[in-house]
Amino acid sequence: AQSVAQPEDQVNVAEGNPLTVKCTYSVSGNPYLFWYVQYPNRGLQFLLKYITGDNLVKGSYGFEAEFNKSQTSFHLKKPSALVSDSALYFCAVRASGSARQLTFGSGTQLTVLP
Amino acid sequence: KAGVTQTPRYLIKTRGQQVTLSCSPISGHRSVSWYQQTPGQGLQFLFEYFSETQRNKGNFPGRFSGRQFSNSRSEMNVSTLELGDSALYLCASSTAPSTDTQYFGPGTRLTVL
Repeated sequence: AQSVAQPEDQVNVAEGNPLTVKCTYSVSGNPYLFWYVQYPNRGLQFLLKYITGDNLVKGSYGFEAEFNKSQTSFHLKKPSALVSDSALYFCAVRASGSARQLTFGSGTQLTVLP
Repeated sequence: KAGVTQTPRYLIKTRGQQVTLSCSPISGHRSVSWYQQTPGQGLQFLFEYFSETQRNKGNFPGRFSGRQFSNSRSEMNVSTLELGDSALYLCASSTAPSTDTQYFGPGTRLTVL
């Protein structure tokens, strides 16, 4: 079975400060990991993914994520938060070489305070 | 390229009715997945189609069904609607159902009264 945990339902950060949204995963074999963002009444927008290679992945809108195999984590980060970053963030995992579907975490609501 | 489109965007039905939702993938994408999103259950996988074949199915009752056409467009159908079927239904497309990134449409908001 594969699963994703996003331990924080809500993260608040001041504008200009760095932000981190946490994600840990469980999967058999090597993982494919994704981050998506959802704005109110919208679908999910792709931010970045890790398939293989460099553990630090850079994505859209200045976001990056670090893959840590030993800690089975894939935390999303941004050096300087913007108010417009306020949204719902989802981490997702899929086992490599598998026909299994993408499994999503429960989501983390990020609020950036002006 | 145009993104994933879903129609209709909003739908109101009553219990016992049936509903059909439509999804047009990004041009060139042959894989379509469907998800149900609710505040209580989060994002739950419904099914995945590739080249008109269902590859995966989530843990939903048989009232939920889908299909994919030769042009990769997909429809999902829910029969005998229940109040608990009220949700945002999201469609995602990708070039292939393995490592490739899924791109999501705006969703169809279904309300069952």
